[in-house]
Amino acid sequence: EAQVTQNPRYLITVTGKKLTVTCSQNMNHEYMSWYRQDPGLGLRQIYYSMNVEVTDKGDVPEGYKVSRKEKRNFPLILESPSPNQTSLYFCASSLRQNNSPLHFGNGTRLTVT
Amino acid sequence: GNSVTQMEGPVTLSEEAFLTINCTYTATGYPSLFWYVQYPGEGLQLLLKATKADDKGSNKGFEATYRKETTSFHLEKGSVQVSDSAVYFCALSGTYNQGGKLIFGQGTELSVKP
Repeated sequence: EAQVTQNPRYLITVTGKKLTVTCSQNMNHEYMSWYRQDPGLGLRQIYYSMNVEVTDKGDVPEGYKVSRKEKRNFPLILESPSPNQTSLYFCASSLRQNNSPLHFGNGTRLTVT
Repeated sequence: GNSVTQMEGPVTLSEEAFLTINCTYTATGYPSLFWYVQYPGEGLQLLLKATKADDKGSNKGFEATYRKETTSFHLEKGSVQVSDSAVYFCALSGTYNQGGKLIFGQGTELSVKP
């Protein structure tokens, strides 16, 4: 089954404790992206990747890192999480074309205390 | 830059009522337009899309027409069901050199009562 898999689904952590949210897709998509969803703000892009070893900042990249060592994986790293990073995070992938729809994971709800 | 504006929610309707969720956009070039739906506890799923002016996307009884003259892509359904309760997002594609990036509206929550 074609899918984007994120882990974990829920994560509660404390300020400053490094964490990684994993994302994997099995559709051989070139493009992968991370979004955060906050009430009243919709989805905002954090980082994206056009292909292996090619990553770039989205609209709200501060406090996040990513890597793309393999085509299927695109982990999101929070080196020193802060409470304002409490949010619902989504990984997505697509073919690298403007009219290609994004395929989303089921989300990771992160709480930073 | 490109942007999307959706009507604010929440929208509450009775079963079998007519639904319209307004979406307008600002864009350079010729973006593709999308509607996504998010059911509780799940990720976003593509509902329908349109890739050029006057195209009509449709799926599961929902429709939206790409109107370049009014820069709109309103979502409609003739008779909603309780199972349509979800959050709906309008989105448009970014510029060509942004690959698969989509720009989302803020989402409109729909609640359908029996």
